[in-house]
Amino acid sequence: DAKTTQPNSMESNEEEPVHLPCNHSTISGTDYIHWYRQLPSQGPEYVIHGLTSNVNNRMASLAIAEDRKSSTLILHRATLRDAAVYYCILRDPLRDDKIIFGKGTRLHILP
Amino acid sequence: GAGVSQSPRYKVTKRGQDVALRCDPISGHVSLYWYRQALGQGPEFLTYFNYEAQQDKSGLPNDRFSAERPEGSISTLTIQRTEQRDSAMYRCASSPLTGAGTSGSEQFFGPGTRLTVL
Repeated sequence: DAKTTQPNSMESNEEEPVHLPCNHSTISGTDYIHWYRQLPSQGPEYVIHGLTSNVNNRMASLAIAEDRKSSTLILHRATLRDAAVYYCILRDPLRDDKIIFGKGTRLHILP
Repeated sequence: GAGVSQSPRYKVTKRGQDVALRCDPISGHVSLYWYRQALGQGPEFLTYFNYEAQQDKSGLPNDRFSAERPEGSISTLTIQRTEQRDSAMYRCASSPLTGAGTSGSEQFFGPGTRLTVL
């Protein structure tokens, strides 16, 4: 299975943008890039996903490199509530539909 | 509407006992997933179902672990002869669509069952 690499932790100031990187150099043509996050003491929640084009939703934006070997989750204006572990995941629904979580990036927001 | 529910929320058992953990997915959701999460770690995939069919059980640690979803709705994860190393948060998730032909639909997670084996 294709793997992802993320920094263990990051810090950001409140009300500033946050860019969370993810490397996936062995991504296959049918892998979608998904992001989930897990707030303290809660279950994971879906954030966003994409294949090739950049994606935006109410929570975040996903910027995907042209060669698809990396992507960046962008939180446009971080709040204290965004402090969580963020997981970058590759999913190929044609192969199987399970999610393999890595260690993720623990995002700390400084007030 | 109602989200994914799990019961019990907390379970304390003695080593050697069997436990059954229940997951009630969002109504109408086709796929149901089980994960285990140790403290400070990401969720670890155990198994998943599409309707009542178990699609993948490659993550079940050993044959003491089993899962079923007989009517394609509620699922039970059973651990026989529990051991202390089974202590963890067990999480269930459901999603509305199966994999093929989709982009991998969003999974909705339940609150989890905290299992402690003494």
